[in-house]
Amino acid sequence: NAGVMQNPRHLVRRRGQEARLRCSPMKGHSHVYWYRQLPEEGLKFMVYLQKENIIDESGMPKERFSAEFPKEGPSILRIQQVVRGDSAAYFCASSPRLAGGRETQYFGPGTRLLVL
Amino acid sequence: QQQVKQSPQSLIVQKGGISIINCAYENTAFDYFPWYQQFPGKGPALLIAIRPDVSEKKEGRFTISFNKSAKQFSLHIMDSQPGDSATYFCAASPYSGNTPLVFGKGTRLSVIA
Repeated sequence: NAGVMQNPRHLVRRRGQEARLRCSPMKGHSHVYWYRQLPEEGLKFMVYLQKENIIDESGMPKERFSAEFPKEGPSILRIQQVVRGDSAAYFCASSPRLAGGRETQYFGPGTRLLVL
Repeated sequence: QQQVKQSPQSLIVQKGGISIINCAYENTAFDYFPWYQQFPGKGPALLIAIRPDVSEKKEGRFTISFNKSAKQFSLHIMDSQPGDSATYFCAASPYSGNTPLVFGKGTRLSVIA
């Protein structure tokens, strides 16, 4: 059973360009979370999605950032008009369908975004 | 109230020693406390987790101690090994539902021979 997959692993963009980060959850997982990790910082929650639904986007910046998890295909985190402050590691995590109680979140290897 | 405070920021331990990392929280709705281990260039991986119904949980060389009244929990790594050198994150969330985790800032552990 393959783990959470993210691509690309490294992404370089110039200021003003768009960044698209993809996340394929583990097989059978229907919940996806995106976290951002700045250097020397912990992971900060951004958005929580289920298939075709955004459940909680309280951690997403109001502008330039969007996320989706379509019925088919990976989850996408999209950053428009990137700025240098967007440089960070972006991690995706997935968990199984809620069956009562807590489900472990499994993290992908991350996408390291560098904005020049 | 959503913060999880983690200390120390970095830690150097001799091989065979005990590594201790501490975390504190304020939100009384938190009742699930996992620890994640992260190696450079990798994503975090769940190491061990505890709920407040027990004061201690042990898995191999890793032990979580939990103090509900003080709203503190800690990770102890016994017989620390160089392969344990990594960044460790504590986290917290309500147990019910797939709610997002609130992470501490991490502790960079170096185990030296």
